[in-house]
Amino acid sequence: QVQLVESGGGVVQPGGSLRLSCAASGFSFNNYAMHWVRQAPGKGLEWVAFIRYDGSRTDYADSVKGRFTISRVKSKNTLYLQMNSLRDEDTAVYYCARVGNNWGDLYHFDYWGQGALVIVSS
Amino acid sequence: DIVVTQSPDSLAVSLGERATINCKSSQSVLFSSNNKSYLAWYQQKPGQPPKPLIYWASTRESGVPERFSGSGSGTDFTLTISRLQAEDVAVYYCQQYHVTPLTFGGGTKVEIK
Repeated sequence: QVQLVESGGGVVQPGGSLRLSCAASGFSFNNYAMHWVRQAPGKGLEWVAFIRYDGSRTDYADSVKGRFTISRVKSKNTLYLQMNSLRDEDTAVYYCARVGNNWGDLYHFDYWGQGALVIVSS
Repeated sequence: DIVVTQSPDSLAVSLGERATINCKSSQSVLFSSNNKSYLAWYQQKPGQPPKPLIYWASTRESGVPERFSGSGSGTDFTLTISRLQAEDVAVYYCQQYHVTPLTFGGGTKVEIK
């Protein structure tokens, strides 16, 4: 069955860096675009970043552009989110999510990981 | 950016009664070449990730009970729970995936009256 497992969350000081990982299994990872979505404590969902199935295209929310980098390593079936220059407002649970159709970019999210908590605090 | 607005913010419905949630996008999310509205609905329970319910505005995800239905096209959409069950207590989000940045509505909390 499809599984997405995030790791790498934790507590980091403002201005610091953290890298999240999302280990994918149970499907052909290289055929699916992937996204990161975050949720601040008690708040709604915010889309963060997208990467095409082959890594040829990425896109970011304005709130993280220039600070976060999404990437994927097909040999490891793993999605990453490198987060630099972290701010208090980046505190959130970060979810990786798979799109609902292989090869395409614009689809809903049909599988989500359980999330990784990132706390930015001094 | 496409702004997605949900209403109401919360609603309380008796068991077995109908719950209706509205979602409005600031621009059409209908793609004319395939006549599909790029609008999805998710259910989120406390401590869990969102669960997909509906995509293409009205297509139910596999395994989602028939009491959940989606309707609408273009800019105005509705999620209906025909007969509310206790396990439907959750926050519901709509999302447009027509263009990036992908955007979510603010969520609607559904409770039992």
